[in-house]
Amino acid sequence: QGQLVESGGGVVQAGKSLKVSCAGSGFIFGHFGMHWFRHAPGKGLEWVAAIDPHSVQTFYADSVRGRFTISRDNSKSAVYLQMDSLGVDDTGIYYCARNWGPVTPSFDRWGHGVMVTVST
Amino acid sequence: QSVLTQPPSLSAAPGQKVTISCSGSSSNIGNNYVSWYQHLPGTAPTLLIYEDYKRPSVIPDRFSGSRSHTSATLDIAGLQPGDEADYYCGIWNGGVWVFGEGTHLTVL
Repeated sequence: QGQLVESGGGVVQAGKSLKVSCAGSGFIFGHFGMHWFRHAPGKGLEWVAAIDPHSVQTFYADSVRGRFTISRDNSKSAVYLQMDSLGVDDTGIYYCARNWGPVTPSFDRWGHGVMVTVST
Repeated sequence: QSVLTQPPSLSAAPGQKVTISCSGSSSNIGNNYVSWYQHLPGTAPTLLIYEDYKRPSVIPDRFSGSRSHTSATLDIAGLQPGDEADYYCGIWNGGVWVFGEGTHLTVL
């Protein structure tokens, strides 16, 4: 059980900011770490960021550290990705995923994705 | 470029078995569990295997995984046309999630 739905994508100019959201339902959101991934056109899946269940720890890929911020609001069953100083290389479909792994991260629920296009 | 190496593409006929490899080193695969994902671009990825060989209950037993030393493999038996997709191995290593480069599987 469990569903994730992303929102907030769109077209944004290079150098600007965008915030995407992910709403969870059908499970106890605050029990799970959450991750963001992306898929750029013609490239492989890329991990972006992670946050633990209680926002104590956050983790970032080198490519976004210092520009992106992951956060969550368990009262709203939501996780967010604030993206600043966007560049064309940030274009892609952004997915949120639930870390379900009993021992080590693995991702059993994914959202359908939201498109982010950074224009020059 | 990823530290986990996968063949860029594989092809096989329906009904056959295919093995997708994921090669790393003692500092990554050698020390961490591997999971595998199926991805049809534009759709949500699907978890196939976690902790090297465990399979979520919704995944058919045609899919199996293993890990040995510095490499892992995903076997897909009884190939079906719907198996045509991109496949990724992945590990959590030192506070970073790492995907392999991905393997595009064509079912001829």
